[in-house]
Amino acid sequence: GNSVTQMEGPVTLSEEAFLTINCTYTATGYPSLFWYVQYPGEGLQLLLKATKADDKGSNKGFEATYRKETTSFHLEKGSVQVSDSAVYFCALSLYNFNKFYFGSGTKLNVKP
Amino acid sequence: DVKVTQSSRYLVKRTGEKVFLECVQDMDHENMFWYRQDPGLGLRLIYFSYDVKMKEKGDIPEGYSVSREKKERFSLILESASTNQTSMYLCASSLAEPYEQYFGPGTRLTVT
Repeated sequence: GNSVTQMEGPVTLSEEAFLTINCTYTATGYPSLFWYVQYPGEGLQLLLKATKADDKGSNKGFEATYRKETTSFHLEKGSVQVSDSAVYFCALSLYNFNKFYFGSGTKLNVKP
Repeated sequence: DVKVTQSSRYLVKRTGEKVFLECVQDMDHENMFWYRQDPGLGLRLIYFSYDVKMKEKGDIPEGYSVSREKKERFSLILESASTNQTSMYLCASSLAEPYEQYFGPGTRLTVT
């Protein structure tokens, strides 16, 4: 089947620390991969995406590389800010399938 | 910018009431989705629609129905609200291919 597994949270970091949130996937075809972010009280916003193996998605200092050999799409940021505190969701979608598969979300808390 | 709007941010209903949640998107997207989000369970797909008057069940359709009479509007209906339907409801839309989904701000529904 198709599924996404994320590291459990919450993740608590100090400002300017390095962030990694792990995401691995299982897919029956060739998925596109996404990271979404949800700020408190809001809906999900697309953070970045990658549509094929070895693609790197990036936005707002966040990066993730589509690794087919390890079926992973880990989210990284070199220096987090308090404003990055949110819940992060990894997701996949498959060509010809009108469905997304979301991970359970990882809450990030960044302390000043 | 794609905009997805939901009819209410907060809603309080009584057990047994019929509840309508409305979602409107302004980008001519073919696909529209309804999810519910609960702590520890992530996002779960209730229903989705890939065209006007077309719908498919998601992972948890029991107790819900949907209506899509116009391309831009997708309604979620709770025929007889129950307390276990207290949740955050998120609407999303996307183009026909597995492009990113765009989310509304969510409706926090409380059933008492």
